[in-house]
Amino acid sequence: DTAVSQTPKYLVTQMGNDKSIKCEQNLGHDTMYWYKQDSKKFLKIMFSYNNKELIINETVPNRFSPKSPDKAHLNLHINSLELGDSAVYFCASSRDASGRASDTQYFGPGTRLTVL
Amino acid sequence: KNEVEQSPQNLTAQEGEFITINCSYSVGISALHWLQQHPGGGIVSLFMLSSGKKKHGRLIATINIQEKHSSLHITASHPRDSAVYICAVGEYGNKLVFGAGTILRVKS
Repeated sequence: DTAVSQTPKYLVTQMGNDKSIKCEQNLGHDTMYWYKQDSKKFLKIMFSYNNKELIINETVPNRFSPKSPDKAHLNLHINSLELGDSAVYFCASSRDASGRASDTQYFGPGTRLTVL
Repeated sequence: KNEVEQSPQNLTAQEGEFITINCSYSVGISALHWLQQHPGGGIVSLFMLSSGKKKHGRLIATINIQEKHSSLHITASHPRDSAVYICAVGEYGNKLVFGAGTILRVKS
């Protein structure tokens, strides 16, 4: 049983297209995250949701819009894709109701996005 | 300057060696996390600690809150330990800030 799953694993698309990445966790966690890992393998938080409510939005372009239909799902929609959006995107979840990033985070397998 | 600094950036060791990876941070934190990223790309949480020391198998993590420093030790290293080890600090608001990672290669 996969704890945090993401689809698709690989996504290759043209500049200007709109795409979505889906994330689901079956751990019963309240908090979910999206992270971006750039070509230098540096991880950075993009968004955090707690119980379907946006907690963190780290100066991400408006073209990125997270959507949480329920607390087990956090999807990432990207409009008008640009070359610089090419990266690996990781979804994660944690119990973290405290809002202090002090609970173990469980990561999905990542989605490698390539924009041509 | 990044809020979280790791050293070394790259580390090559012989099988069996004792390994230390260091992490220093400059912000107030709620907790410090050590993560492992496998060559295949998956990320696994190894430790989350806010004080003292934790041990899991051959891995030991320590933190000194006053000095804002943490270390990850691997005893009796093995080629399967080859991975990227990432330090991350938890800030208020559910935010993790990551170090750049240490690439570890253990040769047999």
